[in-house]
Amino acid sequence: NAGVMQNPRHLVRRRGQEARLRCSPMKGHSHVYWYRQLPEEGLKFMVYLQKENIIDESGMPKERFSAEFPKEGPSILRIQQVVRGDSAAYFCASSDGQGEAFFGQGTRLTVV
Amino acid sequence: RKEVEQDPGPFNVPEGATVAFNCTYSNSASQSFFWYRQDCRKEPKLLMSVYSSGNEDGRFTAQLNRASQYISLLIRDSKLSDSATYLCVVNMRRGSQGNLIFGKGTKLSVKP
Repeated sequence: NAGVMQNPRHLVRRRGQEARLRCSPMKGHSHVYWYRQLPEEGLKFMVYLQKENIIDESGMPKERFSAEFPKEGPSILRIQQVVRGDSAAYFCASSDGQGEAFFGQGTRLTVV
Repeated sequence: RKEVEQDPGPFNVPEGATVAFNCTYSNSASQSFFWYRQDCRKEPKLLMSVYSSGNEDGRFTAQLNRASQYISLLIRDSKLSDSATYLCVVNMRRGSQGNLIFGKGTKLSVKP
């Protein structure tokens, strides 16, 4: 039973490009959470999704950021027109909605 | 009041010491509680769930006080390998759905 899979592990983008981060939850999990972590800082909640639904996006910046979790396939966190301040580690976690969440290894985004 | 608030740390303790971390949460309807551990540049991993009756796992003891909306983690006989950031996590009700909200973490450094 594979754990939460995130890819890519490392992503380098030039300012103005788009970044797409993927997260495949653990088998049997239909709840996905995205978090951002800046160096030396804590995890900051971004968005909580279930299949085909955004449950809570209160942590998402109003512009340039979007997330989806389609019926088939991984959850995608999309950042348009990236800026240097978007450089961070982005972690995805999944759960069955009742118990603990399990994390992927994260995607480290560097904007140059 | 922040949704999940932890001791700021850092905690620097000698090997063998006992150390306690505290965490408060704002939503009285919160249903489940966890402690996670995060090593530098790695993903958070579940350390233990926190039950109303309190629970113990080896050198680690977690307690929950619902009336005071307070969670604690006690580590006895600290080891060098316990050095990490400890994250308090609350499944916090928002409307009909829960959401996993992380505290900012408390950094522990165990010295020889």
